[in-house]
Amino acid sequence: QKEVEQDPGPLSVPEGAIVSLNCTYSNSAFQYFMWYRQYSRKGPELLMYTYSSGNKEDGRFTAQVDKSSKYISLFIRDSQPSDSATYLCAMSAVGRGSTLGRLYFGRGTQLTVWP
Amino acid sequence: NAGVTQTPKFRVLKTGQSMTLLCAQDMNHEYMYWYRQDPGMGLRLIHYSVGEGTTAKGEVPDGYNVSRLKKQNFLLGLESAAPSQTSVYFCASSTGEGYGYTFGSGTRLTVV
Repeated sequence: QKEVEQDPGPLSVPEGAIVSLNCTYSNSAFQYFMWYRQYSRKGPELLMYTYSSGNKEDGRFTAQVDKSSKYISLFIRDSQPSDSATYLCAMSAVGRGSTLGRLYFGRGTQLTVWP
Repeated sequence: NAGVTQTPKFRVLKTGQSMTLLCAQDMNHEYMYWYRQDPGMGLRLIHYSVGEGTTAKGEVPDGYNVSRLKKQNFLLGLESAAPSQTSVYFCASSTGEGYGYTFGSGTRLTVV
């Protein structure tokens, strides 16, 4: 079993839809949770960063972490064609037992928002 | 604002040839990483470094070597390229534990 599981999709939605992207994980030591966005033929870029449980909102994007269920989500409101990309979740542990801050990535979900 | 710069951006190698991929960062980051990304496989960690002069193996280190002689540079070497090493290679850097990565734009390598 991989440390981080993510449905690869593809996911195709109309412009204006609410998009929900999810990851599950198995390591209870993970404390830092991130979402990266990767456009075609580009490097991943950090989109959202969350520590421990709870929600974080940034414009149209909301990241949620439920540590009790080992489940994280990214919601995109009023989705736009420019949101078409691959979204990767990532997480890490720190301190004793961690692997020196290494991020564990999901395989990514490919999202297409059509006009 | 250069961030993380990878060279070259594209390369075609013949089986058995060697090459070095260069990663340079100007953010004074301690940690640097090399990943490969293949369809359906996601990002897989090859090697990483937690400071100048240090390196460590990741998930898929076989066939690769690395060096971190200067803090800002992290080199990935292929001694004898194989078709299985055809991939997109990404370098990343970070401040340390608990921080996100800054990625380069990638190197597309084809081994024929």
